[in-house]
Amino acid sequence: DTAVSQTPKYLVTQMGNDKSIKCEQNLGHDTMYWYKQDSKKFLKIMFSYNNKELIINETVPNRFSPKSPDKAHLNLHINSLELGDSAVYFCASSPSGQGISNQPQHFGDGTRLSIL
Amino acid sequence: AQKVTQAQTEISVVEKEDVTLDCVYETRDTTYYLFWYKQPPSGELVFLIRRNSFDEQNEISGRYSWNFQKSTSSFNFTITASQVVDSAVYFCALSEAGSWGKLQFGAGTQVVVTP
Repeated sequence: DTAVSQTPKYLVTQMGNDKSIKCEQNLGHDTMYWYKQDSKKFLKIMFSYNNKELIINETVPNRFSPKSPDKAHLNLHINSLELGDSAVYFCASSPSGQGISNQPQHFGDGTRLSIL
Repeated sequence: AQKVTQAQTEISVVEKEDVTLDCVYETRDTTYYLFWYKQPPSGELVFLIRRNSFDEQNEISGRYSWNFQKSTSSFNFTITASQVVDSAVYFCALSEAGSWGKLQFGAGTQVVVTP
C-alpha cells in the first residue's frame, strides 16, 4: 500500500497551459509538503500545509497555488506554465506540529513535469 | 545563504571500497535535526537517518555509519564496503526547531560504484 502517492508520474505539456498535480497520503499525517527538484537535482521546499492550513509559503511565483481539501490531500495547481517550471515535483508528509521538525518526511515518487 | 553544504559533487569508487560523504551545516538554533536521504536512479527519496542536535552519538546501521560533530558542524556519512546498489545521489538536510519540519537540503553527492 503506497504511503504517499502522486499523480501523474509524468506530465508533458506546452508553455502557457494550466496543469495540476495531485498528492494523497494514507499515513494519517497532518502535515504535507511540496518540494521542487531542478535539473541540477537541487531540492527546495515550496509549500506546506498542516491540517488544511498553509504554514509554509516560500518565494514561489503566484502561478503556483496549493490546495488542501483535507489533511490527506495536497494538490498543486500551476497556471501559465513556463519553460523554467520543468522539474520534478515531490510531495511529502510527516506527523504534525511545529515542534515536530524532527520527524522524517515520507516522500512520494515525484512528478516529472516537462514543458515544451 | 546555503545552510547545508555538500562540497563533493560526485564520488566514484570501485565495489568494496569505503566512501565518505561530507555534510557541513549552518544554523543559529540550539535545537535542530539533521537527515540523510538517498535518491537512487529510479528517482524516489528514501529516508536513511535522523540525528538530533543534542545527541552526538555516532550511529551504525549495517554498512552505513554516521559521524555527527557539533564542534565542526558536520554530519558525515560513510558507506563501508560499497556495492553497486549504493549508486545514488545522497542528500543531507537540516530542519530547525519550530520550522514546521521545513527541510533545507544540500546540493547532493552523486555516488557511483562500479563493479
